[in-house]
Amino acid sequence: NAGVMQNPRHLVRRRGQEARLRCSPMKGHSHVYWYRQLPEEGLKFMVYLQKENIIDESGMPKERFSAEFPKEGPSILRIQQVVRGDSAAYFCASSPDGVGGYTFGSGTRLTVV
Amino acid sequence: GEDVEQSLFLSVREGDSSVINCTYTDSSSTYLYWYKQEPGAGLQLLTYIFSNMDMKQDQRLTVLLNKKDKHLSLRIADTQTGDSAIYFCAERGLGGSQGNLIFGKGTKLSVKP
Repeated sequence: NAGVMQNPRHLVRRRGQEARLRCSPMKGHSHVYWYRQLPEEGLKFMVYLQKENIIDESGMPKERFSAEFPKEGPSILRIQQVVRGDSAAYFCASSPDGVGGYTFGSGTRLTVV
Repeated sequence: GEDVEQSLFLSVREGDSSVINCTYTDSSSTYLYWYKQEPGAGLQLLTYIFSNMDMKQDQRLTVLLNKKDKHLSLRIADTQTGDSAIYFCAERGLGGSQGNLIFGKGTKLSVKP
């Protein structure tokens, strides 16, 4: 039973490019959450999705960021026109019911140069 | 707003007990979590406690919750060098959606042989 899978592990983008981060939840988990971790900081909630629905996007920046969790396939976090301040580790978590512990992936480390 | 505070560093000798402390502000917190993060890795759920409990024990780990003082602690008995990592406290309140965990900045535990 594989855990939460994120890819790529490391992503380098030039300013102005697009970044696409993928997350496959654990088998049987239909709740997906994205978090961002800036250097020396804790994790900050970005968005919570269930299949084909955004439940809570209160932590998402208003522009350039979007997330989806289609009926088939992984959840995608998309960052358009990246800037240096987007450099961070982005973690995805999943849960079967949103009540107990959330299982995190190993993260995607985005570097904007 | 909601906030979770942790001391940033803790250093102990191998074989001693470690106690990592956390305070939170949201009195409506339902669940409180402890996560472990090793360098370059994702977050590993160690344990969580429901707010109507005051203690939970799991092998070498003991969680104590003082709801009146909004204080949570994680005790690691017989600390080993493999326990060296960053430990994050997180809370889930009623205010946010179910996936909106509020994390502290993490306590870096160093275990000296």
